[in-house]
Amino acid sequence: DAGITQSPRHKVTETGTPVTLRCHQTENHRYMYWYRQDPGHGLRLIHYSYGVKDTDKGEVSDGYSVSRSKTEDFLLTLESATSSQTSVYFCAIGGTKSSTDTQYFGPGTRLTVL
Amino acid sequence: QKEVEQNSGPLSVPEGAIASLNCTYSDRGSQSFFWYRQYSGKSPELIMSIYSNGDKEDGRFTAQLNKASQYVSLLIRDSQPSDSATYLCAVIRGGSNYKLTFGKGTLLTVNP
Repeated sequence: DAGITQSPRHKVTETGTPVTLRCHQTENHRYMYWYRQDPGHGLRLIHYSYGVKDTDKGEVSDGYSVSRSKTEDFLLTLESATSSQTSVYFCAIGGTKSSTDTQYFGPGTRLTVL
Repeated sequence: QKEVEQNSGPLSVPEGAIASLNCTYSDRGSQSFFWYRQYSGKSPELIMSIYSNGDKEDGRFTAQLNKASQYVSLLIRDSQPSDSATYLCAVIRGGSNYKLTFGKGTLLTVNP
């Protein structure tokens, strides 16, 4: 998984609770991304970061926030989880001198919101 | 029109055959094209990238790009049961700051 870890790998939570997912990389890649994957929708970009403290919204950003205080860590927060946020969440990294646009994915986090 | 379209499948081929996976995209400004493989319950794994019109070969895999037709394909020669997975086509649109747009994937089954 190209030096990417995600934690937790599985989480069950209740509607209305805050949830934070962590992505950690050891590759010193500039770009980091959060996606969600749902049946019938495929992979969709939630937020991404193009540097420390530099983030921007993706296709499905409502209800999510992110933070990146260090190159190696990218956090995804659900401020108040809803059942529609039940999904598999993937972090990806990209952006090296030799391959600016190629992305590599972490193992994923399966989140269930009851 | 969806930005990146793939036939959902399932595509079923016998072992040893050539599997052909297709993808079309809507944005003519798209610059970079990728194929990922995803086994059930696992994360996407990069197979190939292609940037220029024509063919690019890597082992049993060949990616083909035709920008005029807005079409990218993946051929898998000598298909093996271990190739059974969902194949995702992804595109980076021009000016998108390296954001990938994915198709919904094609499920490939290789029968022994």
